[in-house]
Amino acid sequence: KNQVEQSPQSLIILEGKNCTLQCNYTVSPFSNLRWYKQDTGRGPVSLTIMTFSENTKSNGRYTATLDADTKQSSLHITASQLSDSASYICVVSPDSNYQLIWGAGTKLIIKP
Amino acid sequence: EAEVAQSPRYKITEKSQAVAFWCDPISGHATLYWYRQILGQGPELLVQFQDESVVDDSQLPKDRFSAERLKGVDSTLKIQPAELGDSAMYLCASSLDRGSYNEQFFGPGTRLTVL
Repeated sequence: KNQVEQSPQSLIILEGKNCTLQCNYTVSPFSNLRWYKQDTGRGPVSLTIMTFSENTKSNGRYTATLDADTKQSSLHITASQLSDSASYICVVSPDSNYQLIWGAGTKLIIKP
Repeated sequence: EAEVAQSPRYKITEKSQAVAFWCDPISGHATLYWYRQILGQGPELLVQFQDESVVDDSQLPKDRFSAERLKGVDSTLKIQPAELGDSAMYLCASSLDRGSYNEQFFGPGTRLTVL
């Protein structure tokens, strides 16, 4: 069964610190993986997308990595800011035309 | 910057009543999606349109939910009758075309509470 699992479920860190969020998937075949940021009460916004051949992609202070062999991805946030408080959702596509498989997300809280 | 518009932002209704949500996608986007998101979970696709045609409604509870995109532009999602378990955020998204490489742009959502 195609599944996307994210850890931790929630995370609290102090402003200015770094953190890493994990995504493990059992989706097969694999086309691409995308990380979304979702502020409370808002729709998700795409941060990065990676295909099978890419193992890292950056967007400002956000860096996503992908290991297609172990079927793992991570999202690293550098020098966190209060505005980084949000849910971060990992989404995997088995095929370029296929329905997306969404993870449940990691809720990140940045404290001053 | 172009955005996906949704209304209303919040809706409170009693069970067995009918509710309707409206979505206006980004101009020129051929693909429109309706998602349901329960608190603490990822979005679940309800229906996907390509222009005015439904291309995936496999997860849409068709006994009570209906969706249309008559002119291939804006769209309406209806629930009749609403049940307590329908309380959730309903998100609309649009993309330039089909395919997971095309980024989906989401609206702010409609928060539905069924009493």
